[in-house]
Parts: sequence; C-alpha cells; structure tokens
Amino acid sequence: QLVLTQSPSASASLGAPVNLTCTLSSGHSTYSIAWYQQQPEKGPRYLMKVNSDGSHRKGDGTPDRLSGSSSGAERYLTISSLQSEDEADYYCQTWGTGIRVFGGGTKVTVL
Amino acid sequence: EMKVVESGGGLVQRGGSLRLSCAASGFTVSGSDINWVRQAPGKGLEWVSIIYSGGNTNYADSVKGRFTISRDNSKNTLYLQMNSLRAEDTAVYYCTRENADWAFDIWGQGTMVTVSS
Repeated sequence: QLVLTQSPSASASLGAPVNLTCTLSSGHSTYSIAWYQQQPEKGPRYLMKVNSDGSHRKGDGTPDRLSGSSSGAERYLTISSLQSEDEADYYCQTWGTGIRVFGGGTKVTVL
Repeated sequence: EMKVVESGGGLVQRGGSLRLSCAASGFTVSGSDINWVRQAPGKGLEWVSIIYSGGNTNYADSVKGRFTISRDNSKNTLYLQMNSLRAEDTAVYYCTRENADWAFDIWGQGTMVTVSS
C-alpha cells in the first residue's frame, strides 16, 4: 500500500534551517513526490517536485531558500533560513496507479 | 492568469446530495487532468477524485460509488456530484489542476461542505 509518512511537527528559530522529511512506504522508494505549503486559513500552494535521484523542480514563486533532496525512501524539504511567513503546514504527495496520496502533514512553527 | 474557482458548497443533511462546481480560466479543463481534494476541519489533505484529459476517472475508496466527477467543456467547468453524503464528508473541497510534472500547481480557495447528522 502506497503511504507517505511525515512527522507531525517541526520548529526552529527565525533564520535557522529546518528539514522536513517525507517517507515512502516499502516498495515505493523510487517514487517522486511533490511538496505543498498551506498557510493558516489559506488553500495549499505548490512548492516543488522531488525525484528519487534528488533532483527537484520548483513551482513558480517558490523562494530560493527552499530546496528538495532525496535519500532512499526519504524525500526532504529544506528551508535554509526560516522566515515568519514559513510558519505553515507542509504536505508531501505522490502518485500511484489511478490514485494520488498525501502525507499527514508537518506543522512548522517559528520560535 | 490560470485559476480555478469552486462553488456549490453548503449545509446538507446526512444522506443528501450536493453538486460542486469548479470554473477554470486561463487553461482548458478538456486538456488537463483535474482533481478534487478535500480537507476535513483541523485535518490534513485527502485526495478524492481525478478526471483525466481523455475523460477517464478515478476515485478514492472512501467516495467510490457515491461521488461522480464530470466536466462541461463548453463551460470550461468541472463538477463533483456527491450523493449519499455522510458526516465524514464534511470538509473544504478544493479543485486542483495537475501540471506536466503531475503536481497540483493550481488550487482554488475551496468550498465548504457540511453534512449534518
């Protein structure tokens, strides 16, 4: 079964780096994923697609301080210098045969 | 500018029906793969359904047999017909387009559906 696992929360101080992890279920370690940001009371916003080889393609307007990478079944979203506007929920998402799957989301808090 | 605007949400009794609409502009629904995604209050995102540019459709198991996705190319509008509604269908429903990378690059503001028990 295709499942994405995310930690429920992450936090860091203003200007500090933060790493978010999305783990693909067994047997699906080569899948690409997409990252989305959802700020409070807003709809989701597409950030980037991350491939199994670590390459990534950003969406329009995604800040340079955000980057993606991969290792095995894990896909990462790194914010190099956390800003107040980065306080939001972050979701990963992938594609199966005829279905789309979201992770449970990670709430990022700026300390 | 490419955008989608959802409408049609509201309060409905358990077992009732509702039809959501998603009006697209800046691109054609007939040439795109478009999804419905929902978010229950305080919860995460849940994929609901997809209609491919070729017309094929797929559904999450939680709505299969109750929801129907369709489109009207002449109106450039997508629909989600929801029947036999349950309390657990209460959510904000988003319409979202998949780009060439299969990522959901365009999202609407969502429309709220509340199913009363």
